[in-house]
Amino acid sequence: LAKTTQPISMDSYEGQEVNITCSHNNIATNDYITWYQQFPSQGPRFIIQGYKTKVTNEVASLFIPADRKSSTLSLPRVSLSDTAVYYCLVGDGQAGTALIFGKGTTLSVSS
Amino acid sequence: DTAVSQTPKYLVTQMGNDKSIKCEQNLGHDTMYWYKQDSKKFLKIMFSYNNKELIINETVPNRFSPKSPDKAHLNLHINSLELGDSAVYFCASSPSPGTTYEQYFGPGTRLTVT
Repeated sequence: LAKTTQPISMDSYEGQEVNITCSHNNIATNDYITWYQQFPSQGPRFIIQGYKTKVTNEVASLFIPADRKSSTLSLPRVSLSDTAVYYCLVGDGQAGTALIFGKGTTLSVSS
Repeated sequence: DTAVSQTPKYLVTQMGNDKSIKCEQNLGHDTMYWYKQDSKKFLKIMFSYNNKELIINETVPNRFSPKSPDKAHLNLHINSLELGDSAVYFCASSPSPGTTYEQYFGPGTRLTVT
């Protein structure tokens, strides 16, 4: 499974756009990129998944360059409630493989 | 309705005791998981079942034994509890096995061993 590297922490203010970049230099051809969000005292929650280019949903956008060696999670106009840990994961979806959660990025949003 | 539920939410017990954590999902998913999140917040997969069959069994002490009576339930039994077992245990489910399927996590069970 491809290893991921992301910043340990980020700070932002309400209303700003936040971009969290994840490096996955040894991503395999069949790997997908998935982001989860975890609030304190809760289980992780799926945010978005993509394979290449750009994916957008009601919560976030995911930008993946052509070489797929990195990806950027974009959160538009964050609020205090977006304060959480964000995990970048890479996997090929084969049965019997597991999500490997790293340390994640702790995003702190202030007013 | 809660999609993935766990009981109990908190569990405080003494070393050497045996305890169980129950998990139920009402999403109709085929695959269920147990994760452990330690004090440093690392979240690690322990087990995964697909249609009641064990498909992932990470390096976990034999004191931990999962049991899946049916597709909707995956329980975790822990024998001879040790201090190092203190952690938050999360149950999760997904439509199918594999990392590309969205996993739905339960609220967690905070286990404290004294």
